[in-house]
Amino acid sequence: GAGVSQSPSNKVTEKGKDVELRCDPISGHTALYWYRQRLGQGLEFLIYFQGNSAPDKSGLPSDRFSAERTGESVSTLTIQRTQQEDSAVYLCASSSRLGSPLHFGNGTRLTVT
Amino acid sequence: EDKVVQSPLSLVVHEGDTVTLNCSYEVTNFRSLLWYKQEKKAPTFLFMLTSSGIEKKSGRLSSILDKKELFSILNITATQTGDSAVYLCAVDPSGSARQLTFGSGTQLTVLP
Repeated sequence: GAGVSQSPSNKVTEKGKDVELRCDPISGHTALYWYRQRLGQGLEFLIYFQGNSAPDKSGLPSDRFSAERTGESVSTLTIQRTQQEDSAVYLCASSSRLGSPLHFGNGTRLTVT
Repeated sequence: EDKVVQSPLSLVVHEGDTVTLNCSYEVTNFRSLLWYKQEKKAPTFLFMLTSSGIEKKSGRLSSILDKKELFSILNITATQTGDSAVYLCAVDPSGSARQLTFGSGTQLTVLP
């Protein structure tokens, strides 16, 4: 597709369960980012992938969060043992080159009950 | 800690009004400031500003940056109901968008 694609669009899970969120970046975009947006708040940086370099994981809030990306393709964000405070919209973005604006996906709305 | 503050938090206007949204920042490093429009979920890119005093314009939207006073404004003239959205400001410290610092946004509602 032409844009960043994320799935699922909505996810409701029980506290303590693991969830996996998926992001398909725009083809050819080497940089991929995950952000979290809690209700009424700005975007919090989680993790950044650039090509085959080691990812910048400095924004991950705890060791329950992890993300992977194979090459310059799909990325998955995994949250283990979900907690209610993990409820948020998780946004993925990609960009084509250094300094170019981000293109965001529609996000996954995660609700932990 | 880098900080981006947007004001007002919310704004309600009528169609045809002109609005000005504010974004101030305190960051250790600065490369560019970006404005995004967020409807529903996905923010869409509006402007990237790197130099002071140069207005960027796109239709009824315009934006300018003041690097001395550390702020930017986003102007929307002749507002329409389709302009209703959250407008996000972000500062990029490195030019790589590696760790954008976002403000919490301004919720704009344009009434018919």
